[in-house]
Amino acid sequence: EAQVTQNPRYLITVTGKKLTVTCSQNMNHEYMSWYRQDPGLGLRQIYYSMNVEVTDKGDVPEGYKVSRKEKRNFPLILESPSPNQTSLYFCASSLYVGMNTEAFFGQGTRLTVV
Amino acid sequence: AQKITQTQPGMFVQEKEAVTLDCTYDTSDPSYGLFWYKQPSSGEMIFLIYQGSYDQQNATEGRYSLNFQKARKSANLVISASQLGDSAMYFCAMRDYRDDKIIFGKGTRLHILP
Repeated sequence: EAQVTQNPRYLITVTGKKLTVTCSQNMNHEYMSWYRQDPGLGLRQIYYSMNVEVTDKGDVPEGYKVSRKEKRNFPLILESPSPNQTSLYFCASSLYVGMNTEAFFGQGTRLTVV
Repeated sequence: AQKITQTQPGMFVQEKEAVTLDCTYDTSDPSYGLFWYKQPSSGEMIFLIYQGSYDQQNATEGRYSLNFQKARKSANLVISASQLGDSAMYFCAMRDYRDDKIIFGKGTRLHILP
């Protein structure tokens, strides 16, 4: 089954403790991205990647890191999480960069930083 | 810069009535794609419908249609014969040919009343 898989689905952590949210897609998509969703703000892009070893900042990259060593994986790293990073996170992928390619989303990761 | 505006934070509609969710967009690129996603209470993002900027006809997918008015830069989602299962958050999104991002509006929460 074609899908984007995020883990974990739920995570509660403490301020400053490094964490990684994994994202994997099995559709051989070139484009992958991370979003955070906050009430009243919609989805905002954190980072995106157009292919292996190519990553770039989105609209809200501060406090996050990503890597794209393999085509299928695009982990999101929070080196020192803070409470303002409490949010619902989505990983998404699409076949390529282009105006007619919809994004396929993972199930979401609900992160709480206390 | 690209921008998506959804002016209806919430809507209440009687079951079986038609629903129109508003979306206006702004881009300087003549080549772009418009998308609608549904997010039920379970949290996942479900792709509903796509409209390309050069498409001559409005997109339709089952009970969903997109009322595309290019000159007005609007891309309203129409749901015919609404059902209780249509209760969800709905996001309008845009992707243009030059940019690498898919940007989202802030969403409209739709409540279908029995």
